[in-house]
Amino acid sequence: QSALTQPASVSGSPGQSITMSCAGTRSDVGNYNLVSWYQQHPGKAPKLMIYEVTKRPSGVSDRFSGSKSGNTASLTISGLQAEDEADYYCCSYAGTETFGVFGTGTKVTVL
Amino acid sequence: QVQLQESGPGLVKPSETLSLTCTVSGDSVNSDTFYWSWIRQSPGRGLEWIGYIYYTGRTSYNPSLKSRVTISLDTSKNQFSLNLRFVTAADTAIYYCARDLGDPTFDYWGQGTLVTVSS
Repeated sequence: QSALTQPASVSGSPGQSITMSCAGTRSDVGNYNLVSWYQQHPGKAPKLMIYEVTKRPSGVSDRFSGSKSGNTASLTISGLQAEDEADYYCCSYAGTETFGVFGTGTKVTVL
Repeated sequence: QVQLQESGPGLVKPSETLSLTCTVSGDSVNSDTFYWSWIRQSPGRGLEWIGYIYYTGRTSYNPSLKSRVTISLDTSKNQFSLNLRFVTAADTAIYYCARDLGDPTFDYWGQGTLVTVSS
């Protein structure tokens, strides 16, 4: 099972919106509405931001939203803030054998 | 507040066994609601799910690691553990334990522990 493909980097200015993609296959992203997104600041553990494609855990800002089309999931950050600068990883269910596969990660830079 | 904390040696020799324990507070590993997972992160391999255990003792492992991994539960101490046998330098990584909704959604993570495989 190969890792999901994410762009290495995305950048934007404060206040702007950015979107990052997470490309999978019909065996993972395309077959299940079970994609989650994680934010990771340097030296810290990942933090859950989105689960089941579009749901936000309690306490996560509504500036973060998720979507999916076909084999590709996306995370959008609106009203970009300096604190959003971090690495972001997607994860998808990939069946009972493989269970979970992560993306390659996207580094978000706030200009 | 749910908290997870990894513990174990930071240095393991090649061909030996990596053993880590995750201590859970604020929740019970005996809960039928959640699964308990191990995940690792290395510069070369990114984030990689290792496996999970359910309160019944049922386990599931990443096929790429299945032959070398065992995850077990100690309900009396509210802990779960990871054993990874025959380690090589490629197993050098930060190891995280996490609570898992089972689909997989990892909603609480430990702080992570760096394990280096070296002689």
